[in-house]
Amino acid sequence: VELVESGGGPVQPGGSLRLSCTASGFTFNNYAMSWVRHAPGKGLEWVSAISGSRGNTYYADSVKGRFTLSRDNLKNTLYLQMHSLRAADTAVYYCARGIRSCGTDCYPHVGIDYWGQGTLVTVSS
Amino acid sequence: QSVVTQPPSASGTPGQRVTISCSGSISNIGSNAVNWYQQLPGTAPTLLFYGDNQHPSGVPDRFSGSKSGTSASLAISGLQSEDEADYYCAAWDDSLNGLVFGGGTKLTVL
Repeated sequence: VELVESGGGPVQPGGSLRLSCTASGFTFNNYAMSWVRHAPGKGLEWVSAISGSRGNTYYADSVKGRFTLSRDNLKNTLYLQMHSLRAADTAVYYCARGIRSCGTDCYPHVGIDYWGQGTLVTVSS
Repeated sequence: QSVVTQPPSASGTPGQRVTISCSGSISNIGSNAVNWYQQLPGTAPTLLFYGDNQHPSGVPDRFSGSKSGTSASLAISGLQSEDEADYYCAAWDDSLNGLVFGGGTKLTVL
């Protein structure tokens, strides 16, 4: 299993950024995916999740209405579009695979098993 | 402030047994599986335990997990210097409809 994030970098407050996560080593559409962030000096914070095939999305209240999560199962890629960025969004953003839990779709409710190495987003003027 | 609570720090000497607690509510730990993660300094988290008390292959038997009601705990026996890390519990929260992490516990091996 390999998860490789990209797209991080510096951005001004109010700006936008799109993170990508390319997955390999497993059947991508058989797993829910998540983003989790780690701000400097703080704990881990779950940001968003998406189901495996139908693309049902879930968001933390802190990003709802500003971030949009999507996936392209043909490209094995996860995207996090971030708008109206704030200083409080500064963090390392990790792409993460959900522990496999599938019925009619594969859902994120059981948690996370694999993590990428992260990409740093710095929101500052 | 997280809806799942962990002590901010814990410590022990080599060879000792240390326990880290994780306290939640009926909507998270009380209803869903608890997972534990280890984050070594400067690295991504790794899964230590899932489904309350199951560990992935490669995780030493020195690590064990348990859950009772709305609380869970991680026990590390035979403490080693390489265990010095941050530890997080996590569970899905049915009320928030999202994953919640505990605030993390920094383990120091004295």
